[in-house]
Amino acid sequence: DTAVSQTPKYLVTQMGNDKSIKCEQNLGHDTMYWYKQDSKKFLKIMFSYNNKELIINETVPNRFSPKSPDKAHLNLHINSLELGDSAVYFCASSQGGSGSGANVLTFGAGSRLTVL
Amino acid sequence: GQNIDQPTEMTATEGAIVQINCTYQTSGFNGLFWYQQHAGEAPTFLSYNVLDGLEEKGRFSSFLSRSKGYSYLLLKELQMKDSASYLCAVRDSNYQLIWGAGTKLIIKP
Repeated sequence: DTAVSQTPKYLVTQMGNDKSIKCEQNLGHDTMYWYKQDSKKFLKIMFSYNNKELIINETVPNRFSPKSPDKAHLNLHINSLELGDSAVYFCASSQGGSGSGANVLTFGAGSRLTVL
Repeated sequence: GQNIDQPTEMTATEGAIVQINCTYQTSGFNGLFWYQQHAGEAPTFLSYNVLDGLEEKGRFSSFLSRSKGYSYLLLKELQMKDSASYLCAVRDSNYQLIWGAGTKLIIKP
């Protein structure tokens, strides 16, 4: 029944490792996003996918790569993890277009990544 | 550059009213959103304003003045469960969301 689900909820790993976070939405939304929320609580957009096409790619290191097998899934893969990658990563989705419904985001519960 | 300003933290008393302000400078404007985020949880949508004026939704109301680049979220009859961070976000001319850092609201009995 969960609208946007992401796994794992917690992830503790060593520097240099590669990890993935998975996200799935069952809302039929056209657009999915990955956000990073750091210790200062700023929500920073990392990526968004609209109908399987990347439409935003902010100044994110290329160690981060989004993968979307279909419009209901947007996974985040991170290579060579660094200490500064420690944060909470939120997946979100929204319907497409430019009306009031667009950008009304439904967030997943978040994945807390700790890099040691 | 694009900028969203909100107070970092506010304290209010249970049963009272509190107003959380948000000022913005963005390249274009296509709507302003308020989200609530409880500690350790995901943000959840509260309100959306695209025209000037007040939008009321139960105990919560949101106001927008586009000419002043200003919005506020008004919370009435405060309850302890309203303790959370409140995030202001503006949709710019490219329909991208620009987020403020959020206002942490502490409710005291």
